[in-house]
Amino acid sequence: GAGVSQSPSNKVTEKGKDVELRCDPISGHTALYWYRQSLGQGLEFLIYFQGNSAPDKSGLPSDRFSAERTGGSVSTLTIQRTQQEDSAVYLCASSLGERGEQYFGPGTRLTVT
Amino acid sequence: ELKVEQNPLFLSMQEGKNYTIYCNYSTTSDRLYWYRQDPGKSLESLFVLLSNGAVKQEGRLMASLDTKARLSTLHITAAVHDLSATYFCAVVTNQAGTALIFGKGTTLSVSS
Repeated sequence: GAGVSQSPSNKVTEKGKDVELRCDPISGHTALYWYRQSLGQGLEFLIYFQGNSAPDKSGLPSDRFSAERTGGSVSTLTIQRTQQEDSAVYLCASSLGERGEQYFGPGTRLTVT
Repeated sequence: ELKVEQNPLFLSMQEGKNYTIYCNYSTTSDRLYWYRQDPGKSLESLFVLLSNGAVKQEGRLMASLDTKARLSTLHITAAVHDLSATYFCAVVTNQAGTALIFGKGTTLSVSS
């Protein structure tokens, strides 16, 4: 079946602009995670959604980062007023329930110039 | 705060020889994952280890977990070129949401 999909695959933006990254989880997966992978920081957890519960935002690095999940499916990660240090690969993962194995999407490579 | 340390970070391997990657974590956790990442690609799940003494094998890779020592190992038997990749271990936080805390990754390069 279809895996986790993300769009766009690559995004180049100018410093100060807002960007939106999209994640389509595996159908039926109730849990959705966003991670960031950068050379300096490695792989970092950003935010987690489980069903209709309030999201766990404990990994968001600043208030410029936000995410929403509509209808318990698609999620959008928004970065406002992008900075060069936001350049990274943003990975989305989903799992069947909060204790399930996480399956990762192909990622969105964000470059802030 | 849960920390995960992998070593070595880089490993140059010769074809046909055996190697081990180590993953230490700092606090109690009930599951550990090993992922593989090829350059420019996403993460591919290799193993999920759930209990003390768990051992899983797939091809030339074998992973084990010692929860008392907070240590997992990934053993490579008779390395071949197509094992060249970066390998991450990741541990669940046990907080709500079971977010993964990753090690920095071990980049393997196999030469003949």
